[in-house]
Amino acid sequence: DQQVKQNSPSLSVQEGRISILNCDYTNSMFDYFLWYKKYPAEGPTFLISISSIKDKNEDGRFTVFLNKSAKHLSLHIVPSQPGDSAVYFCAASSREGGKLIFGQGTELSVKP
Amino acid sequence: SQTIHQWPATLVQPVGSPLSLECTVEGTSNPNLYWYRQAAGRGLQLLFYSVGIGQISSEVPQNLSASRPQDRQFILSSKKLLLSDSGFYLCAWSVEETQYFGPGTRLTVL
Repeated sequence: DQQVKQNSPSLSVQEGRISILNCDYTNSMFDYFLWYKKYPAEGPTFLISISSIKDKNEDGRFTVFLNKSAKHLSLHIVPSQPGDSAVYFCAASSREGGKLIFGQGTELSVKP
Repeated sequence: SQTIHQWPATLVQPVGSPLSLECTVEGTSNPNLYWYRQAAGRGLQLLFYSVGIGQISSEVPQNLSASRPQDRQFILSSKKLLLSDSGFYLCAWSVEETQYFGPGTRLTVL
């Protein structure tokens, strides 16, 4: 039973365009959501998070959108840069559980 | 600022040999600590987490164990490694909801 799903294993985008990474969840108790970026052979790096009381959070080129009714969140990267090429994981947690549940990841490739 | 260390960075071990991976955190007190494994082409699987010294919760049955002998030290162990234990092992810490990961250990069991 996968509570957090990233249905696209890979995404290819041209440099300068927008990258949109999607994530769906099933547990309505989740109230905190995060995105991580991971390069090969390195630990994931925290990118951006959003609480369930918000529907948008922005940090520079990165914006996370949360649609609670659809149980869907997305990460927008604008403009995309070749250095953004990595695997992106979304994760979710609830105050009750306290643990992060990760999606399977989406590999983003930004072409020059 | 907080930093997290893991060692070794890479490890090649024969089947049936013991394992000890160490993780230490600096710059914070009483963190929650976590061990994850990423198998090839897969997502992050939570193995163990700890909310304090000597307090370990196991998420999946396996031949691995974890210990927390000090506030900022978390150790992953096995008495006898299996081929299926190969993977990328990550330690993480948190104080509130955001987890921060170490650089990872690549374990290959032959």
